[in-house]
Amino acid sequence: AQRVTQPEKLLSVFKGAPVELKCNYSYSGSPELFWYVQYSRQRLQLLLRHISRESIKGFTADLNKGETSFHLKKPFAQEEDSAMYYCALSDNNTDKLIFGTGTRLQVFP
Amino acid sequence: DAGVTQSPTHLIKTRGQQVTLRCSPKSGHDTVSWYQQALGQGPQFIFQYYEEEERQRGNFPDRFSGHQFPNYSSELNVNALLLGDSALYLCASSKYRGPNNEQFFGPGTRLTVL
Repeated sequence: AQRVTQPEKLLSVFKGAPVELKCNYSYSGSPELFWYVQYSRQRLQLLLRHISRESIKGFTADLNKGETSFHLKKPFAQEEDSAMYYCALSDNNTDKLIFGTGTRLQVFP
Repeated sequence: DAGVTQSPTHLIKTRGQQVTLRCSPKSGHDTVSWYQQALGQGPQFIFQYYEEEERQRGNFPDRFSGHQFPNYSSELNVNALLLGDSALYLCASSKYRGPNNEQFFGPGTRLTVL
């Protein structure tokens, strides 16, 4: 079955600390992986996708097919990174997104 | 471009009633997907509309139905409401099978069933 698992509901760090939000997936095929972010009082928006292989707002994520993981990382967290982060996947043939349950990142000053 | 818009913002219904939620896609988009987000959960895919037809459907009962109009806007209808239907309903639009098929989300409609 297709599934996305985000094991942490809440991750709290201090400003300047490294951040890693975990995401594991279950999918028989070649999925496309995404990270979506929702800042306070804003709508859900795409942060990055694995095929782009780019860094957005200092965040990167590498697809590890062996471990079926797509962890989101940032070397130095900023207070403005505080938000809800969702990992999601879609297969190559559809636009249907399957989301994890989300991780709330809190960055303290 | 206001992006994806949804109406109403909030809605309160009682069990057994019917509800209609509306969505206007981002300019240039032709595909609309609907998601249900229960409290503390990630969004769950309900269905997707393109060319006024339902193209894909998630694991939701037939009480959930939809429609897409020629101007690409869409409606989500839920019949015989249950308490468990209380959730945030998100609409997302995209360009069908486009090279960059990013889905843009609306602000959502919060439905409360009493």
